[in-house]
Amino acid sequence: EAGVAQSPRYKIIEKRQSVAFWCNPISGHATLYWYQQILGQGPKLLIQFQNNGVVDDSQLPKDRFSAERLKGVDSTLKIQPAKLEDSAVYLCASSLDGTNYNEQFFGPGTRLTVL
Amino acid sequence: GNSVTQMEGPVTLSEEAFLTINCTYTATGYPSLFWYVQYPGEGLQLLLKATKADDKGSNKGFEATYRKETTSFHLEKGSVQVSDSAVYFCALSVRGSTLGRLYFGRGTQLTVWP
Repeated sequence: EAGVAQSPRYKIIEKRQSVAFWCNPISGHATLYWYQQILGQGPKLLIQFQNNGVVDDSQLPKDRFSAERLKGVDSTLKIQPAKLEDSAVYLCASSLDGTNYNEQFFGPGTRLTVL
Repeated sequence: GNSVTQMEGPVTLSEEAFLTINCTYTATGYPSLFWYVQYPGEGLQLLLKATKADDKGSNKGFEATYRKETTSFHLEKGSVQVSDSAVYFCALSVRGSTLGRLYFGRGTQLTVWP
């Protein structure tokens, strides 16, 4: 079974530029999560989708971050414009559904450096 | 609110030593508890979990027991190997919630020397 795919693996941009990350979850997984992991900290949820609908975006800085999951499969996370403090690893995860006893499977992450 | 506190690293051990990584939590509801592991260059992987009080999760020689009275879920292994070198994250998810989001601790870096 293929795992969660993310691209790119690494991205370096200057502040005020825009960047987009892509995630392809495990086939059949209805729930998709984006987490932000700042160096030295644990992952923090940014947004959660159930199929193609948003169920939790309370921690997403909506003035600069946006995400979509068209057709309930792939998802993209965008930052526009980027700030220095956005330097982090962006993790995508998926699970069968949103219940807490279903395992979340994580992708390898995208490491973003903002200069 | 919901939060996880785990012991700060890094933790450095010799091969075959005993490992304990402490984890305590606060939760607004009844949580399920997890340990995730992140090997160098790889994504987070579920190591073990426990969904109710007094449950013991175990995998690959690692164990953790859900202690409601002390709000703890400490990770233990009797004899670590070099291949166990990784970052370990304690996490919780609140039972009964349809959201399933995970709340993570800061992570503990473990290095095992031969």
